[in-house]
Amino acid sequence: AQSVTQLGSHVSVSEGALVLLRCNYSSSVPPYLFWYVQYPNQGLQLLLKYTSAATLVKGINGFEAEFKKSETSFHLTKPSAHMSDAAEYFCAVTSYGNNRLAFGKGNQVVVIP
Amino acid sequence: DAGVTQSPTHLIKTRGQQVTLRCSPKSGHDTVSWYQQALGQGPQFIFQYYEEEERQRGNFPDRFSGHQFPNYSSELNVNALLLGDSALYLCASSPSTGLTPYEQYFGPGTRLTVT
Repeated sequence: AQSVTQLGSHVSVSEGALVLLRCNYSSSVPPYLFWYVQYPNQGLQLLLKYTSAATLVKGINGFEAEFKKSETSFHLTKPSAHMSDAAEYFCAVTSYGNNRLAFGKGNQVVVIP
Repeated sequence: DAGVTQSPTHLIKTRGQQVTLRCSPKSGHDTVSWYQQALGQGPQFIFQYYEEEERQRGNFPDRFSGHQFPNYSSELNVNALLLGDSALYLCASSPSTGLTPYEQYFGPGTRLTVT
């Protein structure tokens, strides 16, 4: 079974500071990895994805993530936080031919002015 | 191009009742997945429909059932509702062919409250 672990349910970051959200995965087959964002009372929006191409992936809203197989990690970063980044962020994993996402518990990001 | 749509937006039911939630996939998508998101948790996979059949199922009891129609839209049915069924139910669609069959697009969800 595939799974992801996201530590630290709540993350506070100052406006303009680095955003770093950690995701570690477990998978017996090559993984496909995703980061989704969820704003209050809304569904999930895809931020970025890794599907075995470039290991450094750039997404929307200035976010990027790096796939590190040796560390089984796919951490999400943004150099400078904006107030609009306040939301919940989920890491998810699947694999080729699976098409079923396994999500982490999420990180609630609070941006402090 | 309309994305994934779900109805209703909110629903309040009583324990023991039955509920039906509806989903229309994104144009061009033929695969529909359902997820349950309890408060403060990540979404949990319920099941997936393709060609009007259940293709995969997560760890949910038989009280949860579904259907897919020829136009690819889908329904999620939950019988004998429990308080623990209160959650946001998310529908996601994806294409079975092409470059990104694994990329799922989510709807806004249906908030179900069981009292």
